[in-house]
Amino acid sequence: EAGVTQFPSHSVIEKGQTVTLRCDPISGHDNLYWYRRVMGKEIKFLLHFVKESKQDESGMPNNRFLAERTGGTYSTLKVQPAELEDSGVYFCASSPKTGEPGANVLTFGAGSRLTVL
Amino acid sequence: DAKTTQPTSMDCAEGRAANLPCNHSTISGNEYVYWYRQIHSQGPQYIIHGLKNNETNEMASLIITEDRKSSTLILPHATLRDTAVYYCIVRSYNFNKFYFGSGTKLNVKP
Repeated sequence: EAGVTQFPSHSVIEKGQTVTLRCDPISGHDNLYWYRRVMGKEIKFLLHFVKESKQDESGMPNNRFLAERTGGTYSTLKVQPAELEDSGVYFCASSPKTGEPGANVLTFGAGSRLTVL
Repeated sequence: DAKTTQPTSMDCAEGRAANLPCNHSTISGNEYVYWYRQIHSQGPQYIIHGLKNNETNEMASLIITEDRKSSTLILPHATLRDTAVYYCIVRSYNFNKFYFGSGTKLNVKP
């Protein structure tokens, strides 16, 4: 079984540019989460999808961040325009729907490192 | 936001048991304790979780005190590959928001 896949593994952009991060969850997982760790800080929750619907986006830092999950499969996280403080590692995680085996465990991807210059 | 307290770092000799403590004095009755670890440049990896009873799997054991205010993760025979940051997490009431905290950096030495 393939794990959670994230792309790109590393992106270097200049301030003001746009970057789109992609996450492919484990096949069949209804729940998809985005987390991030900015420099020197702890890993923080950003948002949670259940299928294509945003269940909780309370962790999104501002309106420069837009997450989508059209069709309820893969998800994208767009940062536009990127700022220096957005540099960090963005993690995606997925889990089965409630009641299914493994529903209580989040499986994380390797992360996408974003460097804004 | 974090509801757990862990030592910043710990050392362990290779082949010995690593015992990682965690305090979660404000834990609620229906909140679970999770342990994840992050090996350098990888994503967080699930280890184990529990509610009240002690738990064991192929990776580790989790010992939760009777009052549930603290727990200990035990890696029975630490190897160099177990060097990582270990996070003790209390699952929030709505599940999706894991508060990772600062974690414990475990250094396994030869």
